[in-house]
Amino acid sequence: NAGVTQTPKFRVLKTGQSMTLLCAQDMNHEYMYWYRQDPGMGLRLIHYSVGEGTTAKGEVPDGYNVSRLKKQNFLLGLESAAPSQTSVYFCASSSGHNYGYTFGSGTRLTVV
Amino acid sequence: GENVEQHPSTLSVQEGDSAVIKCTYSDSASNYFPWYKQELGKGPQLIIDIRSNVGEKKDQRIAVTLNKTAKHFSLHITETQPEDSAVYFCAATYNTNAGKSTFGDGTTLTVKP
Repeated sequence: NAGVTQTPKFRVLKTGQSMTLLCAQDMNHEYMYWYRQDPGMGLRLIHYSVGEGTTAKGEVPDGYNVSRLKKQNFLLGLESAAPSQTSVYFCASSSGHNYGYTFGSGTRLTVV
Repeated sequence: GENVEQHPSTLSVQEGDSAVIKCTYSDSASNYFPWYKQELGKGPQLIIDIRSNVGEKKDQRIAVTLNKTAKHFSLHITETQPEDSAVYFCAATYNTNAGKSTFGDGTTLTVKP
């Protein structure tokens, strides 16, 4: 049972390039989330989804887009990467309101 | 929106001592408070949680307390071991149907052998 799988684990982008981060969960969870983690700033919510075909903005959504075409997958896209998007990105899933998250192992993204 | 403050940012204890991490939250509608442990290079892992209808919860060496009136909750680790060394995050979850959590900035716990 893999839990939450994130790909890729590491990536270096040049400013202006685009990329997609993939998150896959095998726990049949309804809720999925994308967070970014920066030093001294904890985890900040980018976008989230409460079910297949739904997405919503979190605390820091600018410069990112998401899609949830299948229940098990939640994609995070960067259309035109900027150095300010250098961060570690975590995907998480949950079975519902008032339940803890299962996190993936993270994607370390550097934008140069 | 919700705001979560976590203290201290770093904590160093001797093996066998106790460690306490404290968090405060701002939104009285929050009703679920999980704690996560993050080891170096890994994603956060849920270690214990508490809901607003409970004042205290224990799981072996770990306990969490919640004071709804004062809007604060704490993590207590007893008989600390070197493998407890990690970053710990508290979180508060809104009473909504989206299950979104707001996280504290984290506490780096170091347990010295």
